[in-house]
Amino acid sequence: EVQLVESGGGLVQPGGSLRLSCAASGFTFSSFWMHWVRQVPGKGLVWVSRIDTDGSRTRCADSVKGRFTISRDNAKNTLYLQMNSLRAEDTAVYYCARDVASCTNGVCPHDYWGQGTLVTVSS
Amino acid sequence: DIVMTQSPDSLAVSLGERATINCKSSQSVLYSSNNENYLAWYQQKPGQPPKLLIYWASTRESGVPDRFSGSGSGTDFTLTISSLQAEDVAVYYCQQYYSTPLTFGGGTRVEIK
Repeated sequence: EVQLVESGGGLVQPGGSLRLSCAASGFTFSSFWMHWVRQVPGKGLVWVSRIDTDGSRTRCADSVKGRFTISRDNAKNTLYLQMNSLRAEDTAVYYCARDVASCTNGVCPHDYWGQGTLVTVSS
Repeated sequence: DIVMTQSPDSLAVSLGERATINCKSSQSVLYSSNNENYLAWYQQKPGQPPKLLIYWASTRESGVPDRFSGSGSGTDFTLTISSLQAEDVAVYYCQQYYSTPLTFGGGTRVEIK
């Protein structure tokens, strides 16, 4: 069974840092592009970042560029999001998501999502 | 960035009736080399992550009931629920994956009338 489990969220002050993790199981993690998507509670979905299978190619939304870094450890089956210089507007539930198995070039929809981890940026 | 605009924001439909949700992209998401539309639909219920329903604009994800269907091409797309069931109450989002940043529509809330 495919599982994605996020962790690392919590309350942080503006300007602070957090590292989110997404532990993957039930599939060959190293074969899939992965994404982070966030959602302010009660609002819509916003794509944050994407990483290819070996971590050599990454993309981020302009709103987080220079502050957030996506990475992965295929040996540990884990995806990360390092978030620095956090702002109040970064407050959201952060989901990790996997690209569909039939699509291997990163321009794909997402067939499995984690349950999300809440990040709250407030003083 | 490709802007995705959904309509309506919400709709109330009687059980067993048809629900139709529209999604318009600010530029075409049809890739000419493979004639595929890079458009997906997701369903999100309260307290849950999104669930993939439809991709390539009209391909139903495995396990999704056939009352859900997607149509459209280029910039205009539709998600249809042919006979609304109680378990279909949710927010529905379209997404383009033609180019980064990947972008979602604002969502359409579907309720029972």
